[in-house]
Amino acid sequence: GAVVSQHPSRVICKSGTSVKIECRSLDFQATTMFWYRQFPKKSLMLMATSNEGSKATYEQGVEKDKFLINHASLTLSTLTVTSAHPEDSSFYICRVTGGLNTEAFFGQGTRLTVV
Amino acid sequence: GQNIDQPTEMTATEGAIVQINCTYQTSGFNGLFWYQQHAGEAPTFLSYNVLDGLEEKGRFSSFLSRSKGYSYLLLKELQMKDSASYLCAVKNSNYQLIWGAGTKLIIKP
Repeated sequence: GAVVSQHPSRVICKSGTSVKIECRSLDFQATTMFWYRQFPKKSLMLMATSNEGSKATYEQGVEKDKFLINHASLTLSTLTVTSAHPEDSSFYICRVTGGLNTEAFFGQGTRLTVV
Repeated sequence: GQNIDQPTEMTATEGAIVQINCTYQTSGFNGLFWYQQHAGEAPTFLSYNVLDGLEEKGRFSSFLSRSKGYSYLLLKELQMKDSASYLCAVKNSNYQLIWGAGTKLIIKP
């Protein structure tokens, strides 16, 4: 079946630095990629939706200048957390779908710790 | 508004059966998903229901009643590895996925 690869799985960074997280679909064309964050013992919170070649659509309350999303190709989307702060520490997960009614696949997730 | 309701936490015994309920109120309906998520890991797909009735897949079954806005996930012959959170999610008329907060299932020996 389809596979989604997300890297890195864990990252520790200093406050003020930027971190880039990659999400790749390995054997199918990803029409849409979704980025979520999840705090401990909480459910997934959708941050933004990105379609290949167009600007991402951000959910209310999510700062687009802080969480930069690039979906330059049908197989790759990146999320960059800029000027990271300790409160940005969370589990970030991408979800990929190839169309409206196709099954969606999650990346492995990235545990970000900002110190 | 749109919301998904499921119990926060449930406890069951190894070898037993447990039913996790999910009720939903969304703008339209285009399918309901159940995912399993172990601590610190991404969710993994369990089931998808779009028509009323029961879908059985091994030890796991999922039921849907669209008229009642209700689904349940049934886990049989519970194993310790089934300890995880179970997420219910509904795809609405805009094909947006609305997520429940998840049910943490604790399995005791």
